[in-house]
Amino acid sequence: NAGVTQTPKFRILKIGQSMTLQCTQDMNHNYMYWYRQDPGMGLKLIYYSVGAGITDKGEVPNGYNVSRSTTEDFPLRLELAAPSQTSVYFCASRTGGHQQPQHFGDGTRLSIL
Amino acid sequence: QQQVKQSPQSLIVQKGGISIINCAYENTAFDYFPWYQQFPGKGPALLIAIRPDVSEKKEGRFTISFNKSAKQFSLHIMDSQPGDSATYFCAAIKAAGNKLTFGGGTRVLVKP
Repeated sequence: NAGVTQTPKFRILKIGQSMTLQCTQDMNHNYMYWYRQDPGMGLKLIYYSVGAGITDKGEVPNGYNVSRSTTEDFPLRLELAAPSQTSVYFCASRTGGHQQPQHFGDGTRLSIL
Repeated sequence: QQQVKQSPQSLIVQKGGISIINCAYENTAFDYFPWYQQFPGKGPALLIAIRPDVSEKKEGRFTISFNKSAKQFSLHIMDSQPGDSATYFCAAIKAAGNKLTFGGGTRVLVKP
């Protein structure tokens, strides 16, 4: 049981480039989340999804897009990379019920130069 | 607007000592309060959680104390060990809520 898998683990982008951060989970969880964590800071919610075909904005959605075509996958798209998007990105998932724990991947460390 | 405030930002404790992390919340609609532990290079993982109708919950060396009237809760790590060195996040979620509200995190360093 792999849990939540994020790829790539590391990436360096140039300003203005685009990329997709991949996230997949094998636990059949309906809820999925994308967070960013800046150095020494807490977790900020970018986007989340309550099921396939449904997405919603979190605290810091600007500059990002998501899609949820399947239960398993929840990719995060950066269209025009900016230095302010340098961060560690975490994907998480949980099953139904607000008391269920969120299961996190190990993150993607992204640097934009 | 930070709805869950966490303090301190960092703390250093000697092996065998007690680590105490405090959180305060504003929204009385929150009804579940988990704590997450994050080791360097890893994603956070659920450590322990509490409901507001319980004043204390203990799991091994980790204890949550909850004060509903003060809208505060805290994590106590008893007999702290070097392996407890990590970042700890408190969080809160509303009943039937979709998303957690996280505190800012506390970096704990346990010195041998």
